Amino acid sequence: GQQVMQIPQYQHVQEGEDFTTYCNSSTTLSNIQWYKQRPGGHPVFLIQLVKSGEVKKQKRLTFQFGEAKKNSSLHITATQTTDVGTYFCAGHSGNTPLVFGKGTRLSVIA
Amino acid sequence: DGGITQSPKYLFRKEGQNVTLSCEQNLNHDAMYWYRQDPGQGLRLIYYSQIVNDFQKGDIAEGYSVSREKKESFPLTVTSAQKNPTAFYLCASRRVGAGELFFGEGSRLTVL
Repeated sequence: GQQVMQIPQYQHVQEGEDFTTYCNSSTTLSNIQWYKQRPGGHPVFLIQLVKSGEVKKQKRLTFQFGEAKKNSSLHITATQTTDVGTYFCAGHSGNTPLVFGKGTRLSVIA
Repeated sequence: DGGITQSPKYLFRKEGQNVTLSCEQNLNHDAMYWYRQDPGQGLRLIYYSQIVNDFQKGDIAEGYSVSREKKESFPLTVTSAQKNPTAFYLCASRRVGAGELFFGEGSRLTVL
């Protein structure tokens, strides 16, 4: 079945450094979504990408969807302590339910 | 306020007991989902329902059961057949045709 791989599993950065997490699917995706889960909280939707090669920005966050619609990335510029949490990608392929990656846990050292 | 309510937030049970986790939404969403989250494992789909009185197994349905008698409610029963039930359980809903999943705050089940 469909698999979504996400790397790295953990990332520790100094405040002000950049951060990137990568997501790869074993199948071509209809769309990809990103979620953020704060420590002790629940996942919260960030964004959905649908088009091949799409790039979207939300303030310091930049999301990309690969040309082949099998990979995606989330880049955070100049991390802040409020960015701490686990970032998940999740992909749709056809009519199947969303498949989540295992997430990247981001720690930011002030 | 519209949203998803899960209860209880924390639950302790003895091994061999069935447990039912509640999930209620007032977002008028057709689709509802149950996920299990273990450390380092991400979110794994247990069951989902796209319409009242219908539901499908997800990737890890063994040892769980659900019902969908009302649009706003999708309770999950963790049965004694579930070999490792201690986990964080998340309920979510989605409007059919839209992408975004809305999550409840979760229920943390510990089996002693």
